Amino acid sequence: AQSVAQPEDQVNVAEGNPLTVKCTYSVSGNPYLFWYVQYPNRGLQFLLKYITGDNLVKGSYGFEAEFNKSQTSFHLKKPSALVSDSALYFCAVRGSGGYNKLIFGAGTRLAVHP
Amino acid sequence: DVKVTQSSRYLVKRTGEKVFLECVQDMDHENMFWYRQDPGLGLRLIYFSYDVKMKEKGDIPEGYSVSREKKERFSLILESTSTNQTSMYLCASSLGGANYQPQHFGDGTRLSIL
Repeated sequence: AQSVAQPEDQVNVAEGNPLTVKCTYSVSGNPYLFWYVQYPNRGLQFLLKYITGDNLVKGSYGFEAEFNKSQTSFHLKKPSALVSDSALYFCAVRGSGGYNKLIFGAGTRLAVHP
Repeated sequence: DVKVTQSSRYLVKRTGEKVFLECVQDMDHENMFWYRQDPGLGLRLIYFSYDVKMKEKGDIPEGYSVSREKKERFSLILESTSTNQTSMYLCASSLGGANYQPQHFGDGTRLSIL
């Protein structure tokens, strides 16, 4: 069965420092991976996806993610964090059976301190 | 931009009441989804629909039903609410087919059952 794990409930980082939000996955077959962000009282916004090709994927708001097949990981990164990046981040993997179903991790709260 | 609109941001209902949550998307997407979001559990799929009048159960369909009479509208129905259905409900839509397109989310309905 497909699954996603986000091992950290919360990540704290100082503004200007690099940030990493971790995600590991378990799939049968090729993984199709997504990152979403949720700001308070809002729905999820798509950040980036990995389907195939280059292991470093660039997305919205300066975020990028590194796909590592041997470690079954898809960590979200940003070189320099902003206070406005503080939000809830979800990693997701495309489920089996088509229809673009997604299986989400539990989420990681990112807190960027001034 | 894709717009997914959920009819209510906040709802308070009493145990046993029937509740309709409405979702409308404006991008002619084939797929529509209903999730509930609970702290520490991420998003869990309740039902999805891949075409008008077509629906499939997700991971937690018990206590819920859905209706899709028109392509742009997908309704979630709680026939007889219980307190354990207090949650944030999120609607999403995506293009159909195996195209790995992201889902687009509404801002959610926070439902409280007293």
